[in-house]
Amino acid sequence: GNSVTQMEGPVTLSEEAFLTINCTYTATGYPSLFWYVQYPGEGLQLLLKATKADDKGSNKGFEATYRKETTSFHLEKGSVQVSDSAVYFCALSNNAGNMLTFGGGTRLMVKP
Amino acid sequence: GAVVSQHPSRVICKSGTSVKIECRSLDFQATTMFWYRQFPKKSLMLMATSNEGSKATYEQGVEKDKFLINHASLTLSTLTVTSAHPEDSSFYICSAQGGQETQYFGPGTRLLVL
Repeated sequence: GNSVTQMEGPVTLSEEAFLTINCTYTATGYPSLFWYVQYPGEGLQLLLKATKADDKGSNKGFEATYRKETTSFHLEKGSVQVSDSAVYFCALSNNAGNMLTFGGGTRLMVKP
Repeated sequence: GAVVSQHPSRVICKSGTSVKIECRSLDFQATTMFWYRQFPKKSLMLMATSNEGSKATYEQGVEKDKFLINHASLTLSTLTVTSAHPEDSSFYICSAQGGQETQYFGPGTRLLVL
């Protein structure tokens, strides 16, 4: 079956530091990959996605590249801000089911 | 675009009562809606998938008679927690999907059963 594994948090960084949140997956076929962000007390917001190998999703300074050879979709940002503090979820979807499989989430805390 | 709303955002109820949560896609037609439950500091657990005009498909371990789902139109799905008990207290999140793959999530509803 499908599964998504994320690095456990919390990840604590100082403002303007470089961020990497690792995500690896197991899936049949060619899934689409997503990063969602959840701010405190809110639902999930789609941050970025990639639908095929070597695609790079990007949004708000965040990037992630679909690496089929390593089955990874690591999230990166060059310079984090306090407002980036949130929980980040990596997820995948197989077209057949249209269902999302989520990783466990990684809490990011950015200190001024 | 692609905005999904939920109502109410928070609800407190007494044990034994029923609570209805609405999920609306505001600017697109959602052929499929999903209901998730999220425990504190945990990931989302898919409860059920509903397609407009048909019965919901529940995930294993989710009681369909306790969590009633109705998807009567392309813009509205409801989740009713029947005879709620304190263990049903949780954060319930819906998502909606139109013709494309991406799911758009509502802001969530926090349910507290006393």
